[in-house]
Amino acid sequence: DTGVSQNPRHKITKRGQNVTFRCDPISEHNRLYWYRQTLGQGPEFLTYFQNEAQLEKSRLLSDRFSAERPKGSFSTLEIQRTEQGDSAMYLCASSQITGPQGYTFGSGTRLTVV
Amino acid sequence: AQKITQTQPGMFVQEKEAVTLDCTYDTSDPSYGLFWYKQPSSGEMIFLIYQGSYDQQNATEGRYSLNFQKARKSANLVISASQLGDSAMYFCAMSPAEGGGFKTIFGAGTRLFVKA
Repeated sequence: DTGVSQNPRHKITKRGQNVTFRCDPISEHNRLYWYRQTLGQGPEFLTYFQNEAQLEKSRLLSDRFSAERPKGSFSTLEIQRTEQGDSAMYLCASSQITGPQGYTFGSGTRLTVV
Repeated sequence: AQKITQTQPGMFVQEKEAVTLDCTYDTSDPSYGLFWYKQPSSGEMIFLIYQGSYDQQNATEGRYSLNFQKARKSANLVISASQLGDSAMYFCAMSPAEGGGFKTIFGAGTRLFVKA
């Protein structure tokens, strides 16, 4: 297993455009998480899934954001009508449901909205 | 609501010395998990160590140990024998139940600089 994979690594988009990011978790991991990290800050929780079910969605996630995990494997995070404030690193992580282990994170997708 | 506080924006340590990174937390959950992550300049978050709220002993993983003081609500990370490669951001984090499969909140982080 090669870990958590995120694509693309970088995305530059014009304000108002839609963007979609993909995350492929570790195959044995049931849970998948999306976080957003701005410069100099810790990651902020956005949403997470158990298999294909979205268990929780942060109030930070406006209606312009949507995440899916259609077959309980990879996940996508879409941002519609991007704004400059959406510029950040978007991190995906996966984990088992139980066990004294933290998340395994991907390398992230850096979004720049110009 | 849960909250993590890391009061040290930056710390310096001499190579081969030990360093303690502070973390305090606040929660009303009866059980919880505490974590530390490392984020090098390359950007990828790396899980270091975990402590369950009911664990009687402090967690250790190689050169990392977690100094857990439940009554004081603190979960400090101790790195022994610092190496140049330890220079990175370090994040303390907490989940609302024991184990690693839950929503986790992160502190603002501490940047560690290891001097040769």
